[in-house]
Amino acid sequence: NAGVTQTPKFQVLKTGQSMTLQCAQDMNHEYMSWYRQDPGMGLRLIHYSVGAGITDQGEVPNGYNVSRSTTEDFPLRLLSAAPSQTSVYFCASRHGQRGVSYEQYFGPGTRLTVT
Amino acid sequence: AQSVTQPDIHITVSEGASLELRCNYSYGATPYLFWYVQSPGQGLQLLLKYFSGDTLVQGIKGFEAEFKRSQSSFNLRKPSVHWSDAAEYFCAVLTDSWGKLQFGAGTQVVVTP
Repeated sequence: NAGVTQTPKFQVLKTGQSMTLQCAQDMNHEYMSWYRQDPGMGLRLIHYSVGAGITDQGEVPNGYNVSRSTTEDFPLRLLSAAPSQTSVYFCASRHGQRGVSYEQYFGPGTRLTVT
Repeated sequence: AQSVTQPDIHITVSEGASLELRCNYSYGATPYLFWYVQSPGQGLQLLLKYFSGDTLVQGIKGFEAEFKRSQSSFNLRKPSVHWSDAAEYFCAVLTDSWGKLQFGAGTQVVVTP
């Protein structure tokens, strides 16, 4: 199993550009989520999905879109990048309500800089 | 609202010395609590978790944590740190049945020779 994979590892964008951060997992997890990590703020939930076709907003959803067309993939779209979106982005997944451990598996992260 | 506080932003410890990282939570019901570690340039790895039962839980890499309901705390400890323990440590609380997590701000641990 590759676990949770994220691409790209690093990205530099100019203000106003759009891009998609990719996330995939091969563990057949129902639940997937996107977090951003900023110094002194820990990880904050952007969007999450409890299954294919079902998504919802987290704590800091503005400026981001998600969709979940398959169990494996959960891309995060930045529609018009802003410097405030400079951050490290982590994707995570876990089994759904059938899973008793609630352990989330994290990808290696994407470091995004918006100039 | 649920919240997690890690009072120490940065801790420096000598190799071989003991380590304790503090975590305080605010949660209405019995909390499900986690400690994650993030090594430089890496994603997060689960160290241990507490759901119920024995309030002293053992984790990987020689870490343990103690849940104290009266103090709303879930402090992480290691008796003797290794240079490889230099990392950032996050405490988190489960906020719903689907597994959404509320993270603390993190504690950066530096290990000196």
